[in-house]
Amino acid sequence: DTEVTQTPKHLVMGMTNKKSLKCEQHMGHRAMYWYKQKAKKPPELMFVYSYEKLSINESVPSRFSPECPNSSLLNLHLHALQPEDSALYLCASRSGGGGIYNEQFFGPGTRLTVL
Amino acid sequence: ELKVEQNPLFLSMQEGKNYTIYCNYSTTSDRLYWYRQDPGKSLESLFVLLSNGAVKQEGRLMASLDTKARLSTLHITAAVHDLSATYFCAVDPETSYDKVIFGPGTSLSVIP
Repeated sequence: DTEVTQTPKHLVMGMTNKKSLKCEQHMGHRAMYWYKQKAKKPPELMFVYSYEKLSINESVPSRFSPECPNSSLLNLHLHALQPEDSALYLCASRSGGGGIYNEQFFGPGTRLTVL
Repeated sequence: ELKVEQNPLFLSMQEGKNYTIYCNYSTTSDRLYWYRQDPGKSLESLFVLLSNGAVKQEGRLMASLDTKARLSTLHITAAVHDLSATYFCAVDPETSYDKVIFGPGTSLSVIP
């Protein structure tokens, strides 16, 4: 199974709502990523979990809260978002370590609209 | 700070023609990746280049890496419409094994 799944595919939320994005992989990958992508721009790194521990936080506002319950799951909790947070949110996973590095496998993304 | 640049950023080419997309980066790294993204879709891995002089080919696309020049190329041979997409290169900085830095992307349009 070489697939990264994300739910939901689309999400519309108000600025006072709380919602969560979910990502799952069963490839045994050690690292999982959250990216935000605006139209016609490259993916912008938000968070990285390595061996279930947060290893990188790219100074993301606290209204985004990541969680890695186990090695296969990655969540992104959303609260009090702003309209400018509307974007495609991509999850990715990656094997590697010990000097061996491979490409990231990306999920299909969640299209988020904040009203 | 690691920077990854691509050129051109926009490319319109005729079917059947050849062209090269360039990716250069500002710090030492010997790991470079090429991804493709179709409109409204996610990213798909095309090539993984893990050493100086690495060359990989898949269909009409060929990628190479020159770590000394900090340059990778993605060569398109006899372009077809199905190759229309945005192509990103991405680099692992040696200072952070988990981080991946993406270039701005090259939007390719192949016209009949």
